[in-house]
Amino acid sequence: DAKTTQPPSMDCAEGRAANLPCNHSTISGNEYVYWYRQIHSQGPQYIIHGLKNNETNEMASLIITEDRKSSTLILPHATLRDTAVYYCIEGRGFGANNLFFGTGTRLTVIP
Amino acid sequence: DVKVTQSSRYLVKRTGEKVFLECVQDMDHENMFWYRQDPGLGLRLIYFSYDVKMKEKGDIPEGYSVSREKKERFSLILESASTNQTSMYLCASSPLPGGQGEKLFFGSGTQLSVL
Repeated sequence: DAKTTQPPSMDCAEGRAANLPCNHSTISGNEYVYWYRQIHSQGPQYIIHGLKNNETNEMASLIITEDRKSSTLILPHATLRDTAVYYCIEGRGFGANNLFFGTGTRLTVIP
Repeated sequence: DVKVTQSSRYLVKRTGEKVFLECVQDMDHENMFWYRQDPGLGLRLIYFSYDVKMKEKGDIPEGYSVSREKKERFSLILESASTNQTSMYLCASSPLPGGQGEKLFFGSGTQLSVL
C-alpha cells in the first residue's frame, strides 16, 4: 500500500516554479524517496531520487526535510510540457519491485 | 537513450483468448517488470524478472504468467483473458540488480480491451 500522501491536483503558471509536496511520515532510515512523472499517453519517467540530502539534476530539485517525513519536488521554471501526473514514491526496500506508485499529483501548467 | 518497446499500443481481444504482450529493451538491463495501470489505483506490479528464465510474482499475479527466454525480452501472458483484465499495461526495465537508487525505464504502454 502507498505510504506517501500527495495532493490530487495542482496548478502552476507557465514560467513560475512548481512546488509539489509529498508526505512520507513512515519512511525508514534507509529508504529512498523517488519522483517520477507520467505525461499523458506515455509511461512514467524517472525524475530524481534522494535519501537525506537535497538533490538537483537537469530536470528538478528535491528538498527533503531533516526528519525525512516530507519532501518537495521543485520544477524551477514550469513549461506547458511539464503538465503531467507526478508520483512521489517511498522505496519499501531493495529492488525496483519495491517502488509503489500511488495516484500522484496531477500538475497542470497554465499559459 | 534507453528504449523500452512494447509491441502494441492498442489491443482488442475476446474473453477467453490467450493474449501475449511483448516488451523489448535495448540497454542490456538485468531487471524487467510488468505493471498494470487503472484509474484511481495507480500502477500495480504484476511480475518481475531479475534474470533470464527467472520470474517473481508481484502484487497482483493472478491470471497472468510471464516468460523471459532472452535478456532483452519479457513477455506477459494472459492465459484466458477476462473483462477485468481490461487495462493499460506498462513494461519497464532497470539496470541495477537490486541495490538502492532504482531507476525504472518504462515503455509507452499497451491499452488492452477485453470484450
